[in-house]
Amino acid sequence: QEQMQESGPGLVKPSETLSLTCSVSGDSISSSRNHWGWIRQPPGKGLEWIGNVFYSGDTYYNPSLRSRVTISIDTSKNQFSLRLTSVTAADTAVYSCARFLSGIFDLWGQGTLVTVYS
Amino acid sequence: EIVMTQSPPTLSVSPGERATLSCRASQSVSGNLAWYQQKPGQAPRLLIYSASTRATGIPARFSGSGSGTEFTVTISSLQSEDSAVYYCQQYNEWPTFGQGTKVEI
Repeated sequence: QEQMQESGPGLVKPSETLSLTCSVSGDSISSSRNHWGWIRQPPGKGLEWIGNVFYSGDTYYNPSLRSRVTISIDTSKNQFSLRLTSVTAADTAVYSCARFLSGIFDLWGQGTLVTVYS
Repeated sequence: EIVMTQSPPTLSVSPGERATLSCRASQSVSGNLAWYQQKPGQAPRLLIYSASTRATGIPARFSGSGSGTEFTVTISSLQSEDSAVYYCQQYNEWPTFGQGTKVEI
């Protein structure tokens, strides 16, 4: 059964770095078919694409976040990760990882709430 | 950035009724549009892609249509489990989502 699961701290202080990992099971992250992405949803708001990574390590980022985002991939662990630097309260959101295939997100993790607090 | 605008923000319907949700793109996205359903506390689920193709396991009462800048998803006979927020997403350029339509039954 294909599954994706996010993990990482639920609390981050302002100006620090948010770090999350997505573990993939039931599918190979090395597959040349798929990209792997991060999406976030602030409380009570809509969805925002953060970025994608390909098995080769090629990355694609939302222009509005590009200066602060790094997405990396670890094929040996079948995982990929998100780093978002210099966080503020506006970065408080549920962060979800997802499989990105031909433009659509066809498999999602449950999401994890990250709160930026001082 | 392609801005996606969904309407109405909230739709209240009775079981068995038909519901039509709309999504408008700020510029043409051709047929590169998907719809997702999100229930409280759950991850979004892919409903429709390529504007009108149902994803695996999605009931036939869900149908999508449109191209260019105007899209709709129709739920032909609403059931209680269809209460959710529905999002559209374009993938003609880097992905952007609409703000969602909440369907209340």
